[in-house]
Order: sequence, then C-alpha cells, then structure tokens
Amino acid sequence: GDSVTQTEGPVTVSESESLIINCTYSATSIAYPNLFWYVRYPGEGLQLLLKVITAGQKGSSRGFEATYNKETTSFHLQKASVQESDSAVYYCALVNYNQGKLIFGQGTKLSIKP
Amino acid sequence: EAAVTQSPRNKVAVTGGKVTLSCNQTNNHNNMYWYRQDTGHGLRLIHYSYGAGSTEKGDIPDGYKASRPSQENFSLILELATPSQTSVYFCASGDRGFEQYFGPGTRLTVL
Repeated sequence: GDSVTQTEGPVTVSESESLIINCTYSATSIAYPNLFWYVRYPGEGLQLLLKVITAGQKGSSRGFEATYNKETTSFHLQKASVQESDSAVYYCALVNYNQGKLIFGQGTKLSIKP
Repeated sequence: EAAVTQSPRNKVAVTGGKVTLSCNQTNNHNNMYWYRQDTGHGLRLIHYSYGAGSTEKGDIPDGYKASRPSQENFSLILELATPSQTSVYFCASGDRGFEQYFGPGTRLTVL
C-alpha cells in the first residue's frame, strides 16, 4: 500500500541555520500522486504548508521549499534560515486516489533554539 | 472564521463510558475525515465520509463508529471507551484528490 516515511524527530536547529526534513514515499494507487507538507503549530490543528501536484515541480511557502522528485520518490522540506516561530510538527503526505484519503508520515517535531 | 470546528476541545472519560466527538465544517466539502494522532504514528484514519448519510471505515476503525447526518456535521462515537483510545483526534474536510482542512483537535483522555 501507499506509505510515507520522514525524518525521525525530534529535530533541534539553531535560529538562522538551515533545515532539511526528509520525506520519501511509496505510492501504489497512482504513479505520480499529489504531495503535501502540513504543519501543526502548538495548540492548533494541521494546516497546509505547501503542495505540489506535478512531478519535477517545486512548491514554496513561508520560506519553505520542497521539490517533487519522481526518480528518488522524495519530497524533502527545506528552509535556508529558520526562525523561532517555525517550531512545530511537520507532516509529509500523499493522496490515495482510490479512496480519496491522505496518507501521512509520522511527523517530525522541530524545535528552534534562539 | 474557522471553517472546521470540533467539540469538545478536551474530554476526560471513564473506561466503558460512551464518548461522542463532534465536527462541523462550513467549507461545503463532500468529504469529511476523522483521524487520531499518537506520538510516533503520525495521523491515522479512523472513519471518513463522502457525503451526508455515508460513512466508510478507515485504517483503524475498531472501537469507533461514525455518523454523518448532514453535509456540515460528522461525529465520531466511542460506544465503550478504553484507555487505549486516549489520543488527540482531528476532524478534516476536503474534496477527493485535494488538500484537507483540519479542525483544532480534541484531546481525549480515558481513565
């Protein structure tokens, strides 16, 4: 079945340093699924950070970027310079088209040291 | 204004008791979903619905029922709550193939 694997947390990064959270996927329902990054800030629900629906394309939002790489089946999340407000849990996800549902990775808790 | 709301936000229940978690959406989405989120597991799908009157089993439906009486409302029901159901529950709405919009979550503790 479909699955998503991402960087095991927790991850701690110093403010203004760069960040990468790895995400790899396996999709059986469709060759090139839509891919998403969601973020959950403390005390809030998940919200969409960025999405990419075309292989080879890059999505970006709030200084974060992720490129859909179909060769390596990866969708790593990167940011050049993190801020304290980026502390949150990040989830990589893909769409299972047969059931119209999202398949989530286990989440990566990110803490930023001031 | 929040498009997906959940109630209650926090709930403490006793083992063997009945618990109902409610979700309301104003997005006019056909699909609604219930997930639970536990450390190390990410979000796991419990039940989902394609529209009023429909419910479908997700990946971990055992011990849970769902009800979708209208386009806007989707409930998750624990008939006989157990401590293993202590978790954070998220409701979401969305359309097939597109992103989902999540509520703020309900923290349930079963003693």
